[in-house]
Amino acid sequence: NAGVTQTPKFQVLKTGQSMTLQCAQDMNHEYMSWYRQDPGMGLRLIHYSVGAGITDQGEVPNGYNVSRSTTEDFPLRLLSAAPSQTSVYFCASSYSLLGSGNTIYFGEGSWLTVV
Amino acid sequence: DQQVKQNSPSLSVQEGRISILNCDYTNSMFDYFLWYKKYPAEGPTFLISISSIKDKNEDGRFTVFLNKSAKHLSLHIVPSQPGDSAVYFCAASGASNTGKLIFGQGTTLQVKP
Repeated sequence: NAGVTQTPKFQVLKTGQSMTLQCAQDMNHEYMSWYRQDPGMGLRLIHYSVGAGITDQGEVPNGYNVSRSTTEDFPLRLLSAAPSQTSVYFCASSYSLLGSGNTIYFGEGSWLTVV
Repeated sequence: DQQVKQNSPSLSVQEGRISILNCDYTNSMFDYFLWYKKYPAEGPTFLISISSIKDKNEDGRFTVFLNKSAKHLSLHIVPSQPGDSAVYFCAASGASNTGKLIFGQGTTLQVKP
C-alpha cells in the first residue's frame, strides 16, 4: 500500500521557471491538499480539493495552481517560480470527514529551492 | 494572525519521565484537534486526535487533554523514550471536521537517554 506518493523529492529551479509537483494517493480519499512548511511557521495550506473537479484556495495560494481531474491525482503547479517559494511541500489526503479513525495522511515531502 | 500556537519551540526531557507539549488556539469554531509527529526528511505522521465533545483521549503512552474554556490542549507522553525525539505539531480543524487543517509552529522534543 503506497499511501501518498510525491515526486520529485528534491528540485532546484531558477527564478521564473515553471514546474509541477506530482501527488498521487491509492486510498480512494475524496480530500487532497497541499501544504508548505517553512522554518518557524508550521505547515500552511496552499490549495485543497474535496473531490474530482473541485478545488479551492487555502491560506497561501498565490503563485500556485492546482487541478483535480481524477480522485487519485492532485498536481501542484508553480507558474513562475520565485525565491519566496523555496520550501518543503507536503501533499496530504483523507476522507472528507475526520474522526472515527479517519485522519489525514501526508506524503514524504518535496524539497524545492528557487535560485 | 496565528490561530494555533505552540509557544515552546523546544522541550528536553529525560528518558522515562513525562513530556508535556502545549498548544493554544484562538478560533472557537475549531472542533477537532490532532497531533502529528515529524522526523527529519519525512512527512508528518498522525499520533492522536480529540473531538471538541471530549476532554481527554488516550492511546497507549499518549494522552491528549482539551480545555475548551481556555482554548488549550496538551499532549502527554508517559514514559518518554528516545525514539519520541521529533517535532510535534498540533493542528485544528473547523466546522464539520473537514480535512482542512491549521497547524501550530511545532515543538521539537528531545528525549535524553
